[in-house]
Amino acid sequence: DTGVSQNPRHKITKRGQNVTFRCDPISEHNRLYWYRQTLGQGPEFLTYFQNEAQLEKSRLLSDRFSAERPKGSFSTLEIQRTEQGDSAMYLCASSPSGQGAMDEQFFGPGTRLTVL
Amino acid sequence: ELKVEQNPLFLSMQEGKNYTIYCNYSTTSDRLYWYRQDPGKSLESLFVLLSNGAVKQEGRLMASLDTKARLSTLHITAAVHDLSATYFCAVGSYSGYALNFGKGTSLLVTP
Repeated sequence: DTGVSQNPRHKITKRGQNVTFRCDPISEHNRLYWYRQTLGQGPEFLTYFQNEAQLEKSRLLSDRFSAERPKGSFSTLEIQRTEQGDSAMYLCASSPSGQGAMDEQFFGPGTRLTVL
Repeated sequence: ELKVEQNPLFLSMQEGKNYTIYCNYSTTSDRLYWYRQDPGKSLESLFVLLSNGAVKQEGRLMASLDTKARLSTLHITAAVHDLSATYFCAVGSYSGYALNFGKGTSLLVTP
């Protein structure tokens, strides 16, 4: 399967714990994005990487959130001191560069986080 | 801040009927995307619209873009049950790569 993969698919944690999610983009894609989707809403942008550089961050990304993309391949999203309001689906997407203005983003299956 | 509004948010339609979903956005953009999401699943890319007057069709779905009116439409022709899903439009921000999504249109096609 050559699509975007995310792990774990589901995560249940207690409030105050730290969690980390992993995203493996499509192999030739050098752009990687994180979004958050809550029930009944569209995805909300969190952050964007071009290779290993984090180039754009939403104000939704509080200081409890950190994302990395070492070596420009997979990415991790860590949430520290989780709160119940962090419960959501966390989606990763990737896109290739060099297609002009296409920038079509391909989404992974998501990680569903439940904070108790 | 770029705002994206879809309507309707909920749509129940009979098989065989036609309908249009509308997507309005608030500021200039040169990229508009339509995605489909089935319950509990991720987003599937349907259409990429990059220029004023762009029209794309795939099966019973046709998408168009009017950048002057800041409006995109997703037209459904002769709906079938398999089209039941949530449809999102997403607009690319002019200064970056983030996509700004609408709230989605939940479509239910009934016999």
